Amino acid sequence: NAGVTQTPKFQVLKTGQSMTLQCAQDMNHEYMSWYRQDPGMGLRLIHYSVGAGITDQGEVPNGYNVSRSTTEDFPLRLLSAAPSQTSVYFCASSRQAPTNEKLFFGSGTQLSVL
Amino acid sequence: TQLLEQSPQFLSIQEGENLTVYCNSSSVFSSLQWYRQEPGEGPVLLVTVVTGGEVKKLKRLTFQFGDARKDSSLHITAAQPGDTGLYLCAGANFGNEKLTFGTGTRLTIIP
Repeated sequence: NAGVTQTPKFQVLKTGQSMTLQCAQDMNHEYMSWYRQDPGMGLRLIHYSVGAGITDQGEVPNGYNVSRSTTEDFPLRLLSAAPSQTSVYFCASSRQAPTNEKLFFGSGTQLSVL
Repeated sequence: TQLLEQSPQFLSIQEGENLTVYCNSSSVFSSLQWYRQEPGEGPVLLVTVVTGGEVKKLKRLTFQFGDARKDSSLHITAAQPGDTGLYLCAGANFGNEKLTFGTGTRLTIIP
């Protein structure tokens, strides 16, 4: 029962470096999404995908890229890391768009940008 | 952007007491979900409410969706230390593929 798997668990970057946060789900879910969580601000949607080959922007997309080449994988790319991107990142998936669907979350990636 | 404000932001009470946390918005939602998050983990869904005025119970937890579908509350009876966590509400609308999360209530139950 793997569910949603995120790697790495922790990452430290220097300003300007790039990296990819990995997310994979084994539940054949069509909908996948990335959120960032900052103190006092809940979860904010970065990007989402309603199926392979389809992605769209969320609330805070600047500085992040995504792609969805397969149903299972939804990587999040930071092109040039900035201190403002220090946060905890969560990947989540559901069968369909989460209007009335259960959203399954990974265990998060804690990212620090120095 | 639809906003969901949760109150209180922090709540610390003794084991056995009752409590209510609130989730409010100026926007109407088709459905509203409540999640609980424990340290180092992702949120886990507790309940989804879809009808204005709907009340759902999950053991000692009672969830209510406002008649106008703009607000919701979570009431916990006889709180236990296992109820400790971050409680998040999240609203969605049919035809809109985004789930909007509230600001969260961090609950601590003192044994």
